[in-house]
Amino acid sequence: EPEVTQTPSHQVTQMGQEVILRCVPISNHLYFYWYRQILGQKVEFLVSFYNNEISEKSEIFDDQFSVERPDGSNFTLKIRSTKLEDSAMYFCASTGDGSAYEQYFGPGTRLTVT
Amino acid sequence: RKEVEQDPGPFNVPEGATVAFNCTYSNSASQSFFWYRQDCRKEPKLLMSVYSSGNEDGRFTAQLNRASQYISLLIRDSKLSDSATYLCVVPPGNNRKLIWGLGTSLAVNP
Repeated sequence: EPEVTQTPSHQVTQMGQEVILRCVPISNHLYFYWYRQILGQKVEFLVSFYNNEISEKSEIFDDQFSVERPDGSNFTLKIRSTKLEDSAMYFCASTGDGSAYEQYFGPGTRLTVT
Repeated sequence: RKEVEQDPGPFNVPEGATVAFNCTYSNSASQSFFWYRQDCRKEPKLLMSVYSSGNEDGRFTAQLNRASQYISLLIRDSKLSDSATYLCVVPPGNNRKLIWGLGTSLAVNP
């Protein structure tokens, strides 16, 4: 069964450093998403991406964040200057052209900012 | 009212029990609703979609009450493997953003 993959599984970085989280969505999917989940809190939408551009973003997704689809398979989330409060689990998800809402999630990257 | 609200639990039930969770939502324009399951420190996985009044899949039944703006999830004959957090998810309208509840924690005990 096709699945979304994410790397790395765990990233530790120092405050102020840049991090890039990588995702490989399901190959025939067209819509891509990033979510984050701070430990013990709810899943929060960050951004959606379609046709090589951002289609929607949340208030959390400020200028420190950017997304890119550098080639036909990868989908990346960059945080330019990490803060302690960016420590969270970051999930990538994708959907096909059918149901907009039946999103398939990757296993997540745990980001720890020290 | 919060966008999506769930009783966080935890619900502790014995194997074989029937358990029900409720979720309320604030946006009356929402047309579809989802229950996801999340195991500890894992990704959410889609459990059920609800597009009309309800949906049934084996031991799981989801029901929608548009007038009262709530969705319920019923699990019959609980198994140990049902222990997880159940997340209510509501797209607010025509966009693809998902609004998540905090989740209801279920522990099924032997």
